[in-house]
Amino acid sequence: QVQLVQSGAEVKKPGASVKVSCKVSGYILSEVSMHWVRQAPGKGLEWMGSFDPEDVETIYAQKFQGRVTMTEDTSTDTAYMELSSLRSEDTAVYYCATGPEEMAGLVYWGQGTLVTVSS
Amino acid sequence: DIQMTQSPSTLSASVGDRVTITCRASQSISYWLAWYQQKPGKAPELLIYKASSLESGVPSRFSGGGFGTEFTLTISSLQPDDFATYYCQQYNSYPRTFGQGTKVEIK
Repeated sequence: QVQLVQSGAEVKKPGASVKVSCKVSGYILSEVSMHWVRQAPGKGLEWMGSFDPEDVETIYAQKFQGRVTMTEDTSTDTAYMELSSLRSEDTAVYYCATGPEEMAGLVYWGQGTLVTVSS
Repeated sequence: DIQMTQSPSTLSASVGDRVTITCRASQSISYWLAWYQQKPGKAPELLIYKASSLESGVPSRFSGGGFGTEFTLTISSLQPDDFATYYCQQYNSYPRTFGQGTKVEIK
């Protein structure tokens, strides 16, 4: 059974950084492509980035370039998303998501991590 | 970036109705489109991938169609559990953009 378990809610001040973790079980992390998606309160889904297995590189949405870093610790099958220079507009639920095949949709999702940015 | 536009933004319907949601891409994405259902406070769930392939365990009243730039998600007979928000997502190219969502409400 595949499970993605994310770290708990965070409250951060503007300008700070946050690092969200996503522990994978039932899969070997190095064999899948992990995506990160966020959702601001009352808003839609926003794709932030993922690992591109074809070019073997991490692709970030331009909106987050320079502020986001997605990494993986294959020894613990844990993926991380770090977002820096936080502002109030970054208040959102952050999800990790993946699937058995890159071109077959995001089948498995974490439960979400609420990040609140407030002074 | 490829823009994904869903219509309508909100849809009011009754149990038993047939409903169709449309998703248009700003350029051709072949059949690289997925549909997700999201309920309040929950993570999205995959319904359809590759435009028309039903994800395992998803009821057969859900179906998807389309190719290129225009796609549809149809629910053949709306059930109480189907009142939710639906999103399309293209994965033909990066960034993997989502539509803005369609909320299906009880009429």
